Amino acid sequence: EDQVTQSPEALRLQEGESSSLNCSYTVSGLRGLFWYRQDPGKGPEFLFTLYSAGEEKEKERLKATLTKKESFLHITAPKPEDSATYLCAARNTGNQFYFGTGTSLTVIP
Amino acid sequence: EAGVVQSPRYKIIEKKQPVAFWCNPISGHNTLYWYLQNLGQGPELLIRYENEEAVDDSQLPKDRFSAERLKGVDSTLKIQPAELGDSAVYLCASSSRGESTDTQYFGPGTRLTVL
Repeated sequence: EDQVTQSPEALRLQEGESSSLNCSYTVSGLRGLFWYRQDPGKGPEFLFTLYSAGEEKEKERLKATLTKKESFLHITAPKPEDSATYLCAARNTGNQFYFGTGTSLTVIP
Repeated sequence: EAGVVQSPRYKIIEKKQPVAFWCNPISGHNTLYWYLQNLGQGPELLIRYENEEAVDDSQLPKDRFSAERLKGVDSTLKIQPAELGDSAVYLCASSSRGESTDTQYFGPGTRLTVL
């Protein structure tokens, strides 16, 4: 069964304290691993797409990496404005997307 | 470029009443998705359209939910009759076909409260 699991469910960081969010996936033939940011009351906002193991992408303080079983979202020196829920999703060969339940990140000034 | 537009943003109805949500995807996007998102959960697919055709509606509760995408652009999702358990955020997303471009872009969602 295709599924995506994210951990931790919630994470509290001090401003400037770097950390990583995990996304473990089991899908039949990965055709993309997607990261989204979701603020309260808004729809998910696209961040990154990764397609193959070893691939990395960066945007400001965020870097996403991919292995054959999981993806990490590394947050370097976070700021309070990085507080949000981060969702990952995996797309399989049937063009179906499976979302995790998200990691709620709180960055304390 | 305008993003995915959804309306209404909020809807409060009594149980057993009908309700409809509207979505206008990003121009040129042929794939449209309707998701349901409960509090603290990730989005769950209800239905996916490729142009006018519903290609994945296996998770759509067809006894009370229906959807249409006329002319392959706008889409409407309907619930009739609504139940208390339908209270959630209904998200619409769209994407364009292609291995490297099949990224979903989401609208702001419609928050439904069933009393």
